[in-house]
Amino acid sequence: DADVTQTPRNRITKTGKRIMLECSQTKGHDRMYWYRQDPGLGLRLIYYSFDVKDINKGEISDGYSVSRQAQAKFSLSLESAIPNQTALYFCATSDLEFAGTGELFFGEGSRLTVL
Amino acid sequence: DAKTTQPPSMDCAEGRAANLPCNHSTISGNEYVYWYRQIHSQGPQYIIHGLKNNETNEMASLIITEDRKSSTLILPHATLRDTAVYYCIVGGDTNAGKSTFGDGTTLTVKP
Repeated sequence: DADVTQTPRNRITKTGKRIMLECSQTKGHDRMYWYRQDPGLGLRLIYYSFDVKDINKGEISDGYSVSRQAQAKFSLSLESAIPNQTALYFCATSDLEFAGTGELFFGEGSRLTVL
Repeated sequence: DAKTTQPPSMDCAEGRAANLPCNHSTISGNEYVYWYRQIHSQGPQYIIHGLKNNETNEMASLIITEDRKSSTLILPHATLRDTAVYYCIVGGDTNAGKSTFGDGTTLTVKP
């Protein structure tokens, strides 16, 4: 089983609908992240959380919200989806933020299409 | 936040060494250099990281210049399976959670 699991893997929805992408991890890491990737481009940070009571905005948080329900679970919500939110979304975890051996561990991605 | 600059694409012959450069001229003293790769649209995979010294593991070598303003990822014997997008990023405790993935370098390994 994957250490970082994202659900759903693929989702097609309509403009205005509320969508939730879920991420769960079995690595025991405190830090979790949500990234967005548009075709041919790199990853951009949406939100990140360093523990259950900590939520921080990333580079492109407008139109998104998150919930850290437990150490192992971090959900991304689109309250009212719009077509330009069509993208590939990645969840990641790390033990420490880029310090020492604090590498990022990524899920396999959730492909979202908003019509 | 430190940003990185990478060439958009590179080709390499199978069996030869692939040398992928990265500029990170605004890196601060406690920031590490990390390399990841992404095959097709899978989740990025960690390759290697370093602070000051050159590093080597079973996948690659990382050469960091003395002034730390640039680095090179070396895949010593590239195979077709190394065809991927390679990302160089910098990060450390002072900008925790804000590290930026640029557009990376698309490496194509040719037979």
